Amino acid sequence: AQTVTQSQPEMSVQEAETVTLSCTYDTSESNYYLFWYKQPPSRQMILVIRQEAYKQQNATENRFSVNFQKAAKSFSLKISDSQLGDTAMYFCAFMKHLFLIAGTASKLTFGTGTRLQVTL
Amino acid sequence: DGGITQSPKYLFRKEGQNVTLSCEQNLNHDAMYWYRQDPGQGLRLIYYSQIVNDFQKGDIAEGYSVSREKKESFPLTVTSAQKNPTAFYLCASRSSATNEKLFFGSGTQLSVL
Repeated sequence: AQTVTQSQPEMSVQEAETVTLSCTYDTSESNYYLFWYKQPPSRQMILVIRQEAYKQQNATENRFSVNFQKAAKSFSLKISDSQLGDTAMYFCAFMKHLFLIAGTASKLTFGTGTRLQVTL
Repeated sequence: DGGITQSPKYLFRKEGQNVTLSCEQNLNHDAMYWYRQDPGQGLRLIYYSQIVNDFQKGDIAEGYSVSREKKESFPLTVTSAQKNPTAFYLCASRSSATNEKLFFGSGTQLSVL
C-alpha cells in the first residue's frame, strides 16, 4: 500500500516571500502520478500542480513549482511570491498509473496536509 | 457548466438514522470516489467506482454503502452502523480516458444531533 507523509502540520510565510512544503511517499510502483491540492477556507479542493513520475523535468505552474526526487521519494512544493490568497491547507497526493483496463480504478492517496498562512 | 454537484451542503443525522449524500456529475467521467475528511487527518477513501454497477471498498468503508446505477450518480449512504459519522464528505470524479486529475465537488458537512 502507498503512504504519503507531510511532516509540517503548519507553516507561515510573509507576503512576497518564498515557501517550500515537504512531502514524502512510499511505494513500490515505478509509474505513478503525484499531485498538490489546495483547500482554502471554502473547503473546495483545487488542483495546484501535477507530476508524472516518468518525467524527469520538474512541473511548474506560474508561481508554483515542484522538486521531484524519485529516488528519495520526495515531492516538495515551492510557492514563490506568496500572496494572501495562497492561505490554505495543502495536500500532497499519490496515484498509481494504471494502463487502461476495463473496470480498473485508480485511487488517490492523500497526506494529512500542511496549513499555510500567508501574512502581511 | 460541467461539474460535480454535492447536496446537501449541510446534513444532520439523528442517532440510529441512515442518511444519504448525493453526488451528481455531468462531466461524462467513468470513475467516481467518496472521501471523508476529519480535522488533522487529511482525506480518506470510503468507496470508489470505475463503471456503472461496480464499486470497490476504500480504506474506511465500514458503516457506509454506495450504489452506481447511473454513470452520472454515486450516492453515499451513512448507515446507523457508522458510530462516528461527523465529518466533511467529498465526492470526486475522473476521466478514464487518461489518468487525469480528480475533479471535486464542494462537499457535504454531516453532523450528529
